[in-house]
Amino acid sequence: AQTVTQSQPEMSVQEAETVTLSCTYDTSESDYYLFWYKQPPSRQMILVIRQEAYKQQNATENRFSVNFQKAAKSFSLKISDSQLGDAAMYFCAFNSGYALNFGKGTSLLVTP
Amino acid sequence: GAVVSQHPSWVICKSGTSVKIECRSLDFQATTMFWYRQFPKQSLMLMATSNEGSKATYEQGVEKDKFLINHASLTLSTLTVTSAHPEDSSFYICSARPKLAALYEQYFGPGTRLTVT
Repeated sequence: AQTVTQSQPEMSVQEAETVTLSCTYDTSESDYYLFWYKQPPSRQMILVIRQEAYKQQNATENRFSVNFQKAAKSFSLKISDSQLGDAAMYFCAFNSGYALNFGKGTSLLVTP
Repeated sequence: GAVVSQHPSWVICKSGTSVKIECRSLDFQATTMFWYRQFPKQSLMLMATSNEGSKATYEQGVEKDKFLINHASLTLSTLTVTSAHPEDSSFYICSARPKLAALYEQYFGPGTRLTVT
């Protein structure tokens, strides 16, 4: 079974600054996908970024980038130039072809 | 594209009654739909996976007789909570995987808040 661990229940960042959210996972699979999802107060799940395990290059989507360390089974999310709208719950998730397996989430607070 | 809707968005029911939640893929056909439950300030937990035309597969610890899932068409899956009790109050979210899509691809509905009084 796969496990996803987010060790930071809450994080805070000032507007325009950079913040990194941590995620580690455990799996015996070799082919899988990792995701970061954002859940704002509306509770709609929004895909932030996806990383394929077979790709060495870290995924980037505008202000969002990941640091994927396959050997260490680490998958952190970096948010640059933080904006007030980035405030939300962030979930790290794992998928090896079945359903998504989510971490417990990190609540991100953005202060003006 | 790839829009998933859920109905109702919020439902209040009395203890002992049943309530049905619908999940629809609006602009694509979904061979697989997933149902998740999310308690306040917690993560999403997979309840069951439904494939069109076949019985749902339930995760360990989920009562299949209590949470009835039907995936009768390629655009609709329903979750019926039978004999609901206050402990069933939660946020229920579905997601849908398009036909012929990559295994990692799925789109989330907006969720349904169930309150059992």
